[in-house]
Amino acid sequence: DAGITQSPRHKVTETGTPVTLRCHQTENHRYMYWYRQDPGHGLRLIHYSYGVKDTDKGEVSDGYSVSRSKTEDFLLTLESATSSQTSVYFCATYGTGQETQYFGPGTRLLVL
Amino acid sequence: GENVEQHPSTLSVQEGDSAVIKCTYSDSASNYFPWYKQELGKRPQLIIDIRSNVGEKKDQRIAVTLNKTAKHFSLHITETQPEDSAVYFCAASNNAGNMLTFGGGTRLMVKP
Repeated sequence: DAGITQSPRHKVTETGTPVTLRCHQTENHRYMYWYRQDPGHGLRLIHYSYGVKDTDKGEVSDGYSVSRSKTEDFLLTLESATSSQTSVYFCATYGTGQETQYFGPGTRLLVL
Repeated sequence: GENVEQHPSTLSVQEGDSAVIKCTYSDSASNYFPWYKQELGKRPQLIIDIRSNVGEKKDQRIAVTLNKTAKHFSLHITETQPEDSAVYFCAASNNAGNMLTFGGGTRLMVKP
């Protein structure tokens, strides 16, 4: 599974609080991605990174920010969590030698 | 940008029957089409992929076909088994696995 871990795996938080999710990879892949998965919507891209300190917005980036200070770590931050951000969040990576993106185990986030 | 439509959203078959899931895409520049399988509570995992220079690809009981003219591709599962029960996602990209646009997913249920 391309050596991808996510933390935490489960989180319950309250509306208005900041939340940071971490994705860690051990494959030295250049590209990293954050998706959210909701029923009926499949996997939607939030933000992605194409290198250290290089990031760009995806389809559903409002309310989210990201940072990548090291190749192996990609952080997703919800500045002020809302109930609409309750979802399952998947990190993915893509790099040399891979045919496609491979996913981490996911983080289940509940915003009350 | 790319838009990927996937049908049906749910599919129920008897064990041993075949299952077909269809996807259409909008960007004629798309040239890479992976399929992912996601078991309940798990991460999406690649099961098969096809590139635009190939019309069909098989791997044991699964096959994918691509019609570039009509801009659609399909997943075929033969001799279905209960362990094939999962959600299946199609995706499209014009740059290998770098940027993927996903379909909305198909929940396949195989009844014993």
